[in-house]
Amino acid sequence: DAMVIQNPRYQVTQFGKPVTLSCSQTLNHNVMYWYQQKSSQAPKLLFHYYDKDFNNEADTPDNFQSRRPNTSFCFLDIRSPGLGDAAMYLCATSRDSGQGSGEQYFGPGTRLTVT
Amino acid sequence: DAKTTQPTSMDCAEGRAANLPCNHSTISGNEYVYWYRQIHSQGPQYIIHGLKNNETNEMASLIITEDRKSSTLILPHATLRDTAVYYCIVRVSPLSTGRRALTFGSGTRLQVQP
Repeated sequence: DAMVIQNPRYQVTQFGKPVTLSCSQTLNHNVMYWYQQKSSQAPKLLFHYYDKDFNNEADTPDNFQSRRPNTSFCFLDIRSPGLGDAAMYLCATSRDSGQGSGEQYFGPGTRLTVT
Repeated sequence: DAKTTQPTSMDCAEGRAANLPCNHSTISGNEYVYWYRQIHSQGPQYIIHGLKNNETNEMASLIITEDRKSSTLILPHATLRDTAVYYCIVRVSPLSTGRRALTFGSGTRLQVQP
């Protein structure tokens, strides 16, 4: 089945130690997103790639970076994680086909713990 | 994107229809209504979307009022696996604005009871 895969499902890192979260997709979608979801809150968009074009949300901290080396893979880098960055990180994809709907397909998420 | 208002929580008996309301009184003519749900510890799942006509798929039906200021998601025969947070999201087409973000509100927590 075509899907969005996130690895690992659970990640523990130390305060200030860089960490990278991975996302891959077999849907061949041209748009990929990273959302942050803190406990008991709704998901919040950090940034997205439209093909190779990177689009950062205005309030996304500089501590968060992303890379998309090819259509299938996207990475979220947290340069110096703080305790406040503990959250579920969700990767999503959509096909921007020009039809305007572009529903998003989400991976299972990576739960990040910062110690 | 238009703001949405949903009840915080709802209960539904297993096997009965679950009707989840959403108010979006400031919706613009080019804004779509989307529904997603998030089962505990999983990523959100797309359910259905519509512009002004009622829509139905294998998961649910979406009823949009004629003035488009509110909508209802209907799960015709709720099961225990439908227990989740349901998000109603209104957004413009990315074609017109280039904005592709989903802005999630607080959603409705649906508890299906056995």
